[in-house]
Amino acid sequence: GESVGLHLPTLSVQEGDNSIINCAYSNSASDYFIWYKQESGKGPQFIIDIRSNMDKRQGQRVTVLLNKTVKHLSLQIAATQPGDSAVYFCAETYGSSNTGKLIFGQGTTLQVKP
Amino acid sequence: KAGVTQTPRYLIKTRGQQVTLSCSPISGHRSVSWYQQTPGQGLQFLFEYFSETQRNKGNFPGRFSGRQFSNSRSEMNVSTLELGDSALYLCASSYGAENTGELFFGEGSRLTVL
Repeated sequence: GESVGLHLPTLSVQEGDNSIINCAYSNSASDYFIWYKQESGKGPQFIIDIRSNMDKRQGQRVTVLLNKTVKHLSLQIAATQPGDSAVYFCAETYGSSNTGKLIFGQGTTLQVKP
Repeated sequence: KAGVTQTPRYLIKTRGQQVTLSCSPISGHRSVSWYQQTPGQGLQFLFEYFSETQRNKGNFPGRFSGRQFSNSRSEMNVSTLELGDSALYLCASSYGAENTGELFFGEGSRLTVL
């Protein structure tokens, strides 16, 4: 069946370092990928998205890379800050009619050490 | 602009009872999606409503149902509660445009079934 998974459950980084969070997906038909951040006690918050016709997309301090050949995407956070500590989820969807229906990975906890 | 509002935030029920959760989307958003979040299964899609019609449905039993009103507010109902229904139920809203994964989540309703 379809699934979206993350390689590591927990990632610990030093403040100021760059963070890389990985995600593998299994559905070749997926054409849209999104990263969400969930802080304790809050709902997930949209970070950045990428469509399958792109390999890379940059935002403010974040970059998402998509490798369709190996069905892998990653989220890079530059100069990680304590406020980046949260659980990060990758999600996928496919087909133009599946708005709102996201398949989430299990999540990676990012811990930022001061 | 007010965010997504979910009520109640916390509730405790016993097995066999039913529960209704409410979600008020961001003003102007016409799509409301519901997700169940548990430590074991992660974030799982329940259903999505757009303009009072169910547009997508996840793989949950018929005990889980929902509806959307003309003002886009949504409710979900779980009947004959089971222990395994204990979870954080998240509501997310969006404009409903096709193939966009930018959902705005509420803080959730935490349901405990005893």
